[in-house]
Amino acid sequence: QQQVKQSPQSLIVQKGGIPIINCAYENTAFDYFPWYQQFPGKGPALLIAIRPDVSEKKEGRFTISFNKSAKQFSLHIMDSQPGDSATYFCAAREDNYGQNFVFGPGTRLSVLP
Amino acid sequence: DAGVTQSPTHLIKTRGQQVTLRCSPKSGHDTVSWYQQALGQGPQFIFQYYEEEERQRGNFPDRFSGHQFPNYSSELNVNALLLGDSALYLCASSPWDSRSGYTFGSGTRLTVV
Repeated sequence: QQQVKQSPQSLIVQKGGIPIINCAYENTAFDYFPWYQQFPGKGPALLIAIRPDVSEKKEGRFTISFNKSAKQFSLHIMDSQPGDSATYFCAAREDNYGQNFVFGPGTRLSVLP
Repeated sequence: DAGVTQSPTHLIKTRGQQVTLRCSPKSGHDTVSWYQQALGQGPQFIFQYYEEEERQRGNFPDRFSGHQFPNYSSELNVNALLLGDSALYLCASSPWDSRSGYTFGSGTRLTVV
């Protein structure tokens, strides 16, 4: 119930393409769903996040789509650039104070020039 | 404004030894969480400290222990190191009452030989 599944494991797109990364969860107590971007040798950085009462959120070129009934959410990167090449993690938090997060296994994205 | 700082950045230890990793949270943050990230995997929650007490703990053995100091900085201790403890150890900070995500440090790369 604590697991967050993520796919695909890796993804290669051409510059300007729209990579899509999908995540799924089972625990209905999760109330906050962030996406993190991680470059080699660095810690994860918060990219964008959504709460389950919202179906879509956009920040710049990044969009989260959320399907509460299916318990699925996805990250879309518009007009992808080589600088977006990184590993992306979805995560979920149970509704409690002193938050701790369950992370997906990650998607390694390569954007070719 | 410094973010989350961790030390050391890299460390090599021998099986059976003990190790201490250190973390200074982002200014204004009073809660510190520790994660273990094995190569090619998502971060796994170890534990969280607030008001100098362990508030939540993930599925890690008692060999993993921690401490938080009055200035909110934190230490992660691992005793009786195993080869499987080799990983990137991430510290993350946030305000206790935050309903948003963490700020992660760049991590300490621990190699057990």
